[in-house]
Amino acid sequence: GAGVSQSPSNKVTEKGKDVELRCDPISGHTALYWYRQRLGQGLEFLIYFQGNSAPDKSGLPSDRFSAERTGESVSTLTIQRTQQEDSAVYLCASSSPSREQFFGPGTRLTVL
Amino acid sequence: QKEVEQDPGPLSVPEGAIVSLNCTYSNSAFQYFMWYRQYSRKGPELLMYTYSSGNKEDGRFTAQVDKSSKYISLFIRDSQPSDSATYLCAMRGQEGNTGKLIFGQGTTLQVKP
Repeated sequence: GAGVSQSPSNKVTEKGKDVELRCDPISGHTALYWYRQRLGQGLEFLIYFQGNSAPDKSGLPSDRFSAERTGESVSTLTIQRTQQEDSAVYLCASSSPSREQFFGPGTRLTVL
Repeated sequence: QKEVEQDPGPLSVPEGAIVSLNCTYSNSAFQYFMWYRQYSRKGPELLMYTYSSGNKEDGRFTAQVDKSSKYISLFIRDSQPSDSATYLCAMRGQEGNTGKLIFGQGTTLQVKP
């Protein structure tokens, strides 16, 4: 079946604008994760969804960042009033509970 | 100090060499250990998934976990140019927690023909 998909693949925005990133997990995967990868760095955890609820939001760097998930499927990560330090690749992963995480191709965000 | 330390490299080897990639960690609660491969401008791809200490082999890849030393390794035998990528170690605690992964910085590997 299809893997994790993310859109857009690339997003260039101006400082101060809001952006919305989308993740479509593997069908049937109840767990969904967002990570951020800065240039030359490993992945940083942002938020975890189990179903439509987010029991762990500990990685969100500021209140400009928020995420939601609907229908135990699609998730959106929203960054308000973007800053240059938000430039990174945003990766989504999904899994069955306590199983391996499968990653999407990521959204490359550039804030000018 | 980071929870997971990984030498970023880059590491350059000739085709056919044995490659050793390593990570150290500080959190004794980690129980599950993974290696991901990431090609340029792609998402990470799971290579190896192991629980607790011991060895696991899959084709040319062998993963080792030494929990007493808080040290994990990935060995690649008969390396190929197609193995050129960034290798990320990742780990997490017991089942029942959120399952979030803690990643190393990644090691960039180049295998030269």
